[in-house]
Amino acid sequence: GAGVSQSPRYKVAKRGQDVALRCDPISGHVSLFWYQQALGQGPEFLTYFQNEAQLDKSGLPSDRFFAERPEGSVSTLKIQRTQQEDSAVYLCASSGFQETQYFGPGTRLLVL
Amino acid sequence: DAKTTQPPSMDCAEGRAANLPCNHSTISGNEYVYWYRQIHSQGPQYIIHGLKNNETNEMASLIITEDRKSSTLILPHATLRDTAVYYCIVRVERFYQGAQKLVFGQGTRLTINP
Repeated sequence: GAGVSQSPRYKVAKRGQDVALRCDPISGHVSLFWYQQALGQGPEFLTYFQNEAQLDKSGLPSDRFFAERPEGSVSTLKIQRTQQEDSAVYLCASSGFQETQYFGPGTRLLVL
Repeated sequence: DAKTTQPPSMDCAEGRAANLPCNHSTISGNEYVYWYRQIHSQGPQYIIHGLKNNETNEMASLIITEDRKSSTLILPHATLRDTAVYYCIVRVERFYQGAQKLVFGQGTRLTINP
């Protein structure tokens, strides 16, 4: 079946630009997570949704980062006024009742 | 903070069994052991998980010690495509009471050699 998909796969932004990253979870999965992975590091948690409710946003690094999932399915991670330190791979994962998280391929963001 | 300790790197010959160790000495009674791997430029891939019994699926076997303080992931016949970073993670399953984030450590970089 279809897995988690993310778009775009690659994004180059100039410093100061706003970007929006999209995640399409596995159909029927209630839980959705965003992670950030810096080069050479393991993924780090950013935020978590259960349906449309954002239950945990403790990992968002600054108020420039904003995530939404208005209809409890597709989610968007928005980064305003991008900085060079935002360059990373942004990973989305979804899970159902058994809570095993399945990851998408990630969006590689490069801020110049 | 990650609750697991893994060797930073390992090598294994193609066709042999790859045994990846993980220490989780502070694991709680309701925490599961999960294994993921990440092949270069891809998202993490779920491999297997277990609570206290040994588990096996089409990808791997998971051996958990009786005291649950350590575990070993076994890839029975490693191929070049198994070259990846392998992450051992412990977490609670709450079944819709609020799913828990995964806390990744540095993982083990496994290289399969021809």
